[in-house]
Amino acid sequence: SAVISQKPSRDICQRGTSLTIQCQVDSQVTMMFWYRQQPGQSLTLIATANQGSEATYESGFVIDKFPISRPNLTFSTLTVSNMSPEDSSIYLCSVESQGGETQYFGPGTRLLVL
Amino acid sequence: GENVEQHPSTLSVQEGDSAVIKCTYSDSASNYFPWYKQELGKRPQLIIDIRSNVGEKKDQRIAVTLNKTAKHFSLHITETQPEDSAVYFCAEWGGSYIPTFGRGTSLIVHP
Repeated sequence: SAVISQKPSRDICQRGTSLTIQCQVDSQVTMMFWYRQQPGQSLTLIATANQGSEATYESGFVIDKFPISRPNLTFSTLTVSNMSPEDSSIYLCSVESQGGETQYFGPGTRLLVL
Repeated sequence: GENVEQHPSTLSVQEGDSAVIKCTYSDSASNYFPWYKQELGKRPQLIIDIRSNVGEKKDQRIAVTLNKTAKHFSLHITETQPEDSAVYFCAEWGGSYIPTFGRGTSLIVHP
């Protein structure tokens, strides 16, 4: 299985500011995913990030609000821009395994926007 | 994937009883069905999965069954223990190469 780390693990931010979340994987992966999980809820896919191309965003999520970078096969960032209290959530990165047979999750970033 | 329905949303059992969680899906191209366990404050962890060419898979106290004709799959936990208490998510992967998750089942095992 892939070893995935995220930074920061948690943060408290003021509304109107932006936060960039980093996701590092210990092996090269083709597909990386960014999810949002609000308390007691399921996993909502924000976007899929492939190296060398623009991220693909799901309905309800836009690049201006959640810009994503994918500079190489082991790293990605998600920025939550112009934050509001509604953005308070856990943000998880996830990777497809090497053979494409399954998916693993990072530890998550707990974000609280005041 | 298109849509995955997961039931029940909450399941409360006594230690030692069995627990069953069911998911139905709509995408006939779905071919991979993982189950994740998420303990409070932790990341979802893959606990078992099944592919469309298999009807059942077991791993100790956990089993998953798949009925492709009816488009449903189930997680079975036998001899439940308090440490099985968590939220369980089903998911399906299909022709879109994007996984779709169920809404989750909160399993509570009472000692």
